[in-house]
Amino acid sequence: GEDVEQSLFLSVREGDSSVINCTYTDSSSTYLYWYKQEPGAGLQLLTYIFSNMDMKQDQRLTVLLNKKDKHLSLRIADTQTGDSAIYFCAERDDYKLSFGAGTTVTVRA
Amino acid sequence: DAGVIQSPRHEVTEMGQEVTLRCKPISGHDYLFWYRQTMMRGLELLIYFNNNVPIDDSGMPEDRFSAKMPNASFSTLKIQPSEPRDSAVYFCASSMGQPNQPQHFGDGTRLSIL
Repeated sequence: GEDVEQSLFLSVREGDSSVINCTYTDSSSTYLYWYKQEPGAGLQLLTYIFSNMDMKQDQRLTVLLNKKDKHLSLRIADTQTGDSAIYFCAERDDYKLSFGAGTTVTVRA
Repeated sequence: DAGVIQSPRHEVTEMGQEVTLRCKPISGHDYLFWYRQTMMRGLELLIYFNNNVPIDDSGMPEDRFSAKMPNASFSTLKIQPSEPRDSAVYFCASSMGQPNQPQHFGDGTRLSIL
């Protein structure tokens, strides 16, 4: 079965970059996703990357994929207080998503 | 555009009662997913539908749980009888069928079974 792992906590100073890391096990995953969850809300899709890509940039977000090591990262540039949330990495197999446990990002002034 | 709509947002009930959670997917989406989120187990896929037909219900915990999708714009997840360990946040998500189309989530139903 699939197993997605993430570090649980990240504390970052406002204005610095945040890097959230994720490892996955299913080499047949076609797409990998990053979702953001704010308190009391559902999961908001941030970005995704197709498995044949190495990098994807979308405004302040940069996703890096190392398929050989099955390692995915999300970099948030110029982190703001509104970026405080839980970030979930997910891998897709067919139509099913397997999620990591989520990384709680706390932005301090 | 309206997103995935779930109701109720919060439900508190006593154990043994029947609980019905509702979901309206995004119009035009032909896949619908039910997830459960707990601190201990994280996000778990319970069941998903394609064109109103259940495709994979291997994540449904036990027979007390059932899900239906009578039409393209409505789905229910029922728990009967409910137990305290069913307390969790239940999310519905929908997507279009193409492989590059992501799942869009509702705001969830926070269920507490006393």
